[in-house]
Amino acid sequence: SQQGEEDPQALSIQEGENATMNCSYKTSINNLQWYRQNSGRGLVHLILIRSNEREKHSGRLRVTLDTSKKSSSLLITASRAADTASYFCATVPLRGGSQGNLIFGKGTKLSVKP
Amino acid sequence: KAGVTQTPRYLIKTRGQQVTLSCSPISGHRSVSWYQQTPGQGLQFLFEYFSETQRNKGNFPGRFSGRQFSNSRSEMNVSTLELGDSALYLCASRLTSGTSFYEQYFGPGTRLTVT
Repeated sequence: SQQGEEDPQALSIQEGENATMNCSYKTSINNLQWYRQNSGRGLVHLILIRSNEREKHSGRLRVTLDTSKKSSSLLITASRAADTASYFCATVPLRGGSQGNLIFGKGTKLSVKP
Repeated sequence: KAGVTQTPRYLIKTRGQQVTLSCSPISGHRSVSWYQQTPGQGLQFLFEYFSETQRNKGNFPGRFSGRQFSNSRSEMNVSTLELGDSALYLCASRLTSGTSFYEQYFGPGTRLTVT
């Protein structure tokens, strides 16, 4: 079953602009992760934020987590055409969860036009 | 270090047949998870293996099974294939100690088409 719901489902921007994707989830979590997938290929881990963290940065990526609202956002700054991909949030539930059993949202399809 | 490898990359099977997919994890990774990805259901967890034991299983019928060998390589098997089994099957491995405890590394996937 899906735990997370990403919003928007699709996003189209110009190179250089910022892209923001949101994720909401249903149950309390241990941590939340963001992954990128290019054209139906394997997923690439981008960043992990633990339930006791509120914000995390990695290069051009900024992730926030609001456990009271059960939501997270991923910001990609100064986007490039190479950022074109689908982005998924994945959670590890606090109860009964396992690090090897990620629960994924449906993803946001990002298109960055040159 | 070599990444997660999956074989075959593409497969076409007929309804009723069975299929075996293979996954070789990153060297040193003892946990292997399998996921099914379809346009309708998205990414869904199938099962996780650690030290040759199934740790968790997702909500899939018994036609889906897996195993892990002593070298951590894993296989998953789908028997009596149905059209709805057409999907991208992804394998992921991870360390179970150290700072990368939570990160999963995914393979490129096996695209299974059932006709």
